Amino acid sequence: GAGVSQSPRYKVAKRGQDVALRCDPISGHVSLFWYQQALGQGPEFLTYFQNEAQLDKSGLPSDRFFAERPEGSVSTLKIQRTQQEDSAVYLCASSLGGSAQPQHFGDGTRLSIL
Amino acid sequence: GIQVEQSPPDLILQEGANSTLRCNFSDSVNNLQWFHQNPWGQLINLFYIPSGTKQNGRLSATTVATERYSLLYISSSQTTDSGVYFCAVNQGGKLIFGQGTELSVKP
Repeated sequence: GAGVSQSPRYKVAKRGQDVALRCDPISGHVSLFWYQQALGQGPEFLTYFQNEAQLDKSGLPSDRFFAERPEGSVSTLKIQRTQQEDSAVYLCASSLGGSAQPQHFGDGTRLSIL
Repeated sequence: GIQVEQSPPDLILQEGANSTLRCNFSDSVNNLQWFHQNPWGQLINLFYIPSGTKQNGRLSATTVATERYSLLYISSSQTTDSGVYFCAVNQGGKLIFGQGTELSVKP
C-alpha cells in the first residue's frame, strides 16, 4: 500500500483481556518497528524486525508483550492480561532497511484499558 | 543511553511569524529525523537529515552532527503548522525521540 496501515484505530478492552494490534508495512520495506506513545510523551521503542527476524525486543515492558512477523510482512503486537498502564497509542513504522533509512509511521492504534 | 532534548517545550506564535526549534543529542548518531504530530495524532515525516541543511517549502532543517544538535526552522507560520514537533535520532536501528515542542499558531 501507499503507507503503513494499522488496525484497529481504536481499541477498548477490560483489564485482564488479551488484545492484538496489526501493522501492514509499506510494500517492500524490510524493517518494521513498534513504538509506544503515552499521553504527552514522545514515542518509545518496543521492538524491531528485519524481515521475519526479531532483532531487538529490548523495549518490550514485560513478558505480557509479544510481537511477531511470521512471513516478513504483516506484524502483530499482542498484549496479554492487559493492565491500565498499557493504555497508550501504539505506533508501527517501516523502512527499507538499515539504520541509514528513514522510518515511516502509521496512524497508530489508541488502546484504552478500563 | 543517548539523551535527546528539545527546546522550547511550548511555543505560541501569531500566524505569519517565524520560529526555530532545537534538538540536542548526547552521543553520535546514525541519522536524525524531524516529525510533525498533528492534532489527530498522525506522525508526519518532515526531514531525514543526518547532517547538512535541507529545505522543503516553508520548512528547513540543519544538523551539525559534530556538535550534536539539529535545528528546525518554520517560516511564515500557518494555523495548520500547529501540533507537536519531534526530533528522533537513530541509534542501532531504533529511533530515540525527544519530548517534543508543542507549537500553537494563532490566527
